[in-house]
Amino acid sequence: GIQVEQSPPDLILQEGANSTLRCNFSDSVNNLQWFHQNPWGQLINLFYIPSGTKQNGRLSATTVATERYSLLYISSSQTTDSGVYFCAARSGGNKLTFGTGTQLKVEL
Amino acid sequence: NAGVMQNPRHLVRRRGQEARLRCSPMKGHSHVYWYRQLPEEGLKFMVYLQKENIIDESGMPKERFSAEFPKEGPSILRIQQVVRGDSAAYFCASSLNGRDNEQFFGPGTRLTVL
Repeated sequence: GIQVEQSPPDLILQEGANSTLRCNFSDSVNNLQWFHQNPWGQLINLFYIPSGTKQNGRLSATTVATERYSLLYISSSQTTDSGVYFCAARSGGNKLTFGTGTQLKVEL
Repeated sequence: NAGVMQNPRHLVRRRGQEARLRCSPMKGHSHVYWYRQLPEEGLKFMVYLQKENIIDESGMPKERFSAEFPKEGPSILRIQQVVRGDSAAYFCASSLNGRDNEQFFGPGTRLTVL
């Protein structure tokens, strides 16, 4: 099955800083999603982005399907951005395969 | 439009008891997926169901676990004779169809086995 790798595994930022999270996948995809798991454990949909670029407020994402990677950009980070960011991909079939996540901590 | 609903949010069971987790998909969605998140790990696929049918159960443990999605009512994930290793967060997701559509996740049920 498809392999999904995320980097970096951990990230500490000062409030106001920008960051880029990366997701590499091993096969062509027909679904690529980014999620934020907040400190209470809830999983929030950020982007559905099998290809192209999308923006939502301070967050944006780009997927380059031909090169098998996706990037999540966080600008002007806030303490409420803390948590774990997961990407998940589907290549045929029905299930999403999740990466191991990037643990983000934003400090004042 | 209400999102994916799961209940209970927290469930405590003693070893050997049964756990029943419920999931109501988003309105208009007829495809349901269950995932499990063990402590400090990512989510792992368990099972994919449509109304009255199990489509893919390749991620389900062979024993003690079962799932259903009846014509009426929520999808149920059932764990019989729970053991401590079953302690995890169980997430349900739904999608409009089973191909390329986005999956939307519920808040999860956190199962603790004493």
